[in-house]
Amino acid sequence: NAGVTQTPKFRVLKTGQSMTLLCAQDMNHEYMYWYRQDPGMGLRLIHYSVGEGTTAKGEVPDGYNVSRLKKQNFLLGLESAAPSQTSVYFCASVTGVTEAFFGQGTRLTVV
Amino acid sequence: DQQVKQNSPSLSVQEGRISILNCDYTNSMFDYFLWYKKYPAEGPTFLISISSIKDKNEDGRFTVFLNKSAKHLSLHIVPSQPGDSAVYFCAASVRGSQGNLIFGKGTKLSVKP
Repeated sequence: NAGVTQTPKFRVLKTGQSMTLLCAQDMNHEYMYWYRQDPGMGLRLIHYSVGEGTTAKGEVPDGYNVSRLKKQNFLLGLESAAPSQTSVYFCASVTGVTEAFFGQGTRLTVV
Repeated sequence: DQQVKQNSPSLSVQEGRISILNCDYTNSMFDYFLWYKKYPAEGPTFLISISSIKDKNEDGRFTVFLNKSAKHLSLHIVPSQPGDSAVYFCAASVRGSQGNLIFGKGTKLSVKP
């Protein structure tokens, strides 16, 4: 039972490049989330999904897109990376009781 | 406008003593509160939670207290151990908000042997 798995764990992008971060969960959770963590800023919600085929914007959605084609996967895309998107990205999935399970994170650097 | 505030960026405690981490919130609609612990290079892990219908929840060395009138909660760790050294995040949610958690900025706890 892997829980929540994020791929990749590290990535360096050049400004303007695109990439997709993958989050996979094997707990059959309906809700999935993408957060970013920046120094001194805590975790801020980018986008979330309440079920297969649904997505919604969080607190800081600009510059990101998401898709939830399968219940177990939640993809976060950066179409044209900017240095301001240098951050650590965390995916989480949630039971109905609000306890979120987090992946190990993806450290992204945009140069 | 921060809805969940952790005003102490860091806290240093001696091993065996009590650690008290504080959290304030502004949204009176929050009805569920959680604490997460995060080690470097790892994802946050759930520690303990409390519903707004309670004022205390205890789990081993960890106790969370909720004061709804003051919109304040605290996490007590007794006794503190060096392995407790981590960043602690306070989080809150509103029933029916589809599990959306609003996080504080975190408090870095250092427990010295």
